[in-house]
Amino acid sequence: DVKVTQSSRYLVKRTGEKVFLECVQDMDHENMFWYRQDPGLGLRLIYFSYDVKMKEKGDIPEGYSVSREKKERFSLILESASTNQTSMYLCASSFRGLNTGELFFGEGSRLTVL
Amino acid sequence: DAKTTQPTSMDCAEGRAANLPCNHSTISGNEYVYWYRQIHSQGPQYIIHGLKNNETNEMASLIITEDRKSSTLILPHATLRDTAVYYCIVRAGNTDKLIFGTGTRLQVFP
Repeated sequence: DVKVTQSSRYLVKRTGEKVFLECVQDMDHENMFWYRQDPGLGLRLIYFSYDVKMKEKGDIPEGYSVSREKKERFSLILESASTNQTSMYLCASSFRGLNTGELFFGEGSRLTVL
Repeated sequence: DAKTTQPTSMDCAEGRAANLPCNHSTISGNEYVYWYRQIHSQGPQYIIHGLKNNETNEMASLIITEDRKSSTLILPHATLRDTAVYYCIVRAGNTDKLIFGTGTRLQVFP
C-alpha cells in the first residue's frame, strides 16, 4: 500500500517560531503537494513539487517555503509562525502526468500557533 | 484553471442513490474531472476521474455531459459510511496540480 507519512499529527508552536512539517512517501512518486485545510475554505494548495529541487507556488504560498532535497521527502517551512497559520496541513503525492487521477494523502498535521 | 461549483450540502437516505452535481462551465478540452471525498478526520480519498466518457468503478459512476460543462457523481447505494465531503476538481491545464474547492457535504441518514 502507498504510504504518505507526516511527521507530526499535532503541534503547538509560539508566534515567531520556525516550524518544519515533514512528509515522506514510499511510492517513488514524482509529485508532492502541501495543502492547508480550514473550516469553510476547503483544501487550499500551498506548494507543489514535481521533482527534486523543483517547486511551484500554489494558491496561498505567502508565509511558507518548501524543500525537496530527496524524492521521497517534501518539507513545509514556516519561517516565522503566525496565529493565522493555525490550520490542518495535508501532504499528498502522486505520479507525474496525473492521468491516473490519484493523489495519496497523509493523515494531516494539525498546527496551533499561540 | 477551470473552477467548479458544487452545492454546499446534500442529504440522502441509506440504500438510495446519491447524485452529486458539479458545474465546470469553463473547462478546457484537455482537462480531466476528478472526484475525491474526505471522511471526517482523514485525508481525501480518490474516487474516480474522467475526460469525456462516462466512467464507472467499484465505488461510483461519473456522468459527464456532452458539452463537458457539468458532471454528476453517482453513489448507487449510499451507506452511512459514505457520509463525507465530496470534492469535484478540474485539473489545472498544463500541470499536475489539483485545486480543490469547498466540496459538497453529503449526509446519509438511516
